[in-house]
Amino acid sequence: QEELVESGGGVVQPGRSLRLSCAASGFTFSAYVMHWVRQAPGKGLEWVAVIWYDRSNKQYADSVKGRFTISRDNYRNTLDLQMNSLRVEDTAVYYCARGQSSMDVWGQGTTVIVSS
Amino acid sequence: DIQMTQSPSTLSASVGDRVTITCRASQSITPWLAWYQQTPGKAPKLLIYKASTLESGVPSRFSGSGSGTDFTLTVSSLQPDDFATYYCQQYSDFPWTFGQGTKVEVK
Repeated sequence: QEELVESGGGVVQPGRSLRLSCAASGFTFSAYVMHWVRQAPGKGLEWVAVIWYDRSNKQYADSVKGRFTISRDNYRNTLDLQMNSLRVEDTAVYYCARGQSSMDVWGQGTTVIVSS
Repeated sequence: DIQMTQSPSTLSASVGDRVTITCRASQSITPWLAWYQQTPGKAPKLLIYKASTLESGVPSRFSGSGSGTDFTLTVSSLQPDDFATYYCQQYSDFPWTFGQGTKVEVK
């Protein structure tokens, strides 16, 4: 079945970096636009970034622009999020999601805690 | 950025009730609106896309309507599994944005 599995979350100090990964299976990964969405504790959903099938286009939320980089490997069927200069307000569960338009397949999420 | 505003923020209801949640966009997004359901500790689940198209496998008691800037999600007869938080989301333009969520709780 179609599945996304995130990894790489953890506890990190402000200003440090962390790299999240999302492994896709059960579908043709290279045919889909992919996203990262996050949810701070007790808060709503916030879209973070998107990458086109062929990496030709990337978009970011203003809150992460210049600090986060989305990438993908269509041979390994993986989606990554490189997060630099982390802030306390980046603390959240990070989901990867498949989405040509709306987001129809989601991972279970990986938790990032930014704290000194 | 397109702002999405949901109402109400919290809704108290009983099993069998008809429930309606509204979502308003700060500019026209027709028909690029989706609805998601989320239960605690779980990932969101897509219910409706293109404002009114039911995602495969989603019960027919869920329906979506609206156009332009005003949209609604209706649950015709609330079931125990439906007590959850619901989010609207526009995908008309980047950055994609979500409403703040509507929590449907037991009355």
